[in-house]
Amino acid sequence: KAGVTQTPRYLIKTRGQQVTLSCSPISGHRSVSWYQQTPGQGLQFLFEYFSETQRNKGNFPGRFSGRQFSNSRSEMNVSTLELGDSALYLCASREGKAGSYEQYFGPGTRLTVT
Amino acid sequence: AQSVTQLDSHVSVSEGTPVLLRCNYSSSYSPSLFWYVQHPNKGLQLLLKYTSAATLVKGINGFEAEFKKSETSFHLTKPSAHMSDAAEYFCVVSAGNFNKFYFGSGTKLNVKP
Repeated sequence: KAGVTQTPRYLIKTRGQQVTLSCSPISGHRSVSWYQQTPGQGLQFLFEYFSETQRNKGNFPGRFSGRQFSNSRSEMNVSTLELGDSALYLCASREGKAGSYEQYFGPGTRLTVT
Repeated sequence: AQSVTQLDSHVSVSEGTPVLLRCNYSSSYSPSLFWYVQHPNKGLQLLLKYTSAATLVKGINGFEAEFKKSETSFHLTKPSAHMSDAAEYFCVVSAGNFNKFYFGSGTKLNVKP
């Protein structure tokens, strides 16, 4: 099976702009989670989607939003970008059913805000 | 509440010597525990997992971990380090509502020739 894919891999944006990141999960996986990774804060959980519904959410401002489509692909949007949003954004997928706990991560999208 | 503490932010070993990366967890539920590895500018790769079966878990690349409930620990070990093991390692606990993941702060492993 193909792994988790994320596009784009690298992105440079300016403060105040918005950005959309995309994640395609492993085939058959219905859960997609998003994480932000920075040197200072480490790995922080943003949100999880399962069957097009957000079922877990981290402590991020409303500028961070996401959605999931019927084919389980997910997008994450960040509006009004700030310098502190520069990070590696990781997407992870899992089957989402009882007994299947492990997540599989994509390579990440490196976002730089200038 | 769930939490993970990785006791060392940096570990340095010589190639061919044993590796020990320490992880303690706290969980209100019966947890699942994982170790992930992240090489520079890459995503996270699953090394091994514990999900209430055997307490000694074997993973990829010669790594293993032992779940010790009495000590609330899940330390990662490898008998002989290889240069390619240099990376950052994350201990993760999953428990509670919808098995939310809780990450440790990471341990950077340096392997000296």
